[in-house]
Amino acid sequence: DTGVSQNPRHKITKRGQNVTFRCDPISEHNRLYWYRQTLGQGPEFLTYFQNEAQLEKSRLLSDRFSAERPKGSFSTLEIQRTEQGDSAMYLCAIRDVENTGELFFGEGSRLTVL
Amino acid sequence: SQQGEEDPQALSIQEGENATMNCSYKTSINNLQWYRQNSGRGLVHLILIRSNEREKHSGRLRVTLDTSKKSSSLLITASRAADTASYFCAWRYGGSQGNLIFGKGTKLSVKP
Repeated sequence: DTGVSQNPRHKITKRGQNVTFRCDPISEHNRLYWYRQTLGQGPEFLTYFQNEAQLEKSRLLSDRFSAERPKGSFSTLEIQRTEQGDSAMYLCAIRDVENTGELFFGEGSRLTVL
Repeated sequence: SQQGEEDPQALSIQEGENATMNCSYKTSINNLQWYRQNSGRGLVHLILIRSNEREKHSGRLRVTLDTSKKSSSLLITASRAADTASYFCAWRYGGSQGNLIFGKGTKLSVKP
C-alpha cells in the first residue's frame, strides 16, 4: 500500500463523453503529480500541485484536460470530450517532502475510449 | 520527446541469472531513480542514486551512475520469477523541484 488511492480503477467511455478521475492520498503531502502512461511507454508528466496551487503543466495537458486540488488534499483530473487517443493509464503520485524526491504512485485509473 | 532511452526494451532470462538494464538521459540531474511496475499496476520506487554518487547497492540491486556519459545501469543479481516486471529509470532536472522524467522502460521476463 503506497498510501495513494485512485478511483475508478477502470473507466470505459464513448468518444465525446467527459470523465473524471480522483486521487486520494491517505495522509497529508504537499506535492501531488499526475502522469499518463500508454501501453509499452514510460509515464509522461501531466501536471503537479504544491498544496492547492497547480505549479506546472505539461504541453500534453490540452484545454480538454483540467486538474484541481481544491483543499490541498485529494485531486481530480477531468477530461472533456474524450478522444480515442486519450486511452491510457492515468497515474497519481505523491512526493514526501522529507525525502529526496521519490514518488509514491497509486495503482492508476485505466481509461478506454471507444 | 522528454523521455530518455533505455535498453534493452525487453530482456528474457532464466531464474538465477543476472539482469542488466541501461538508461540514458539528456540533462544535468540532481539524482536518478529506478522504479518497477508489475503489469497493470502502479510504479514502485526501488532505489535512488545522487548525482555525486557512482554506485549504490540495495539487496540484490546494484545501480551505477556515470554523469559524464549521462547514463545509469541497474543490475539485478540472482533473478527470480517474481522479478518479472517493467523497470523504469527517472530523473529530475538539476535544480528542478517539479516533475520527474521517466525513460521508456525495460520489460524483464524471468523464466523459472
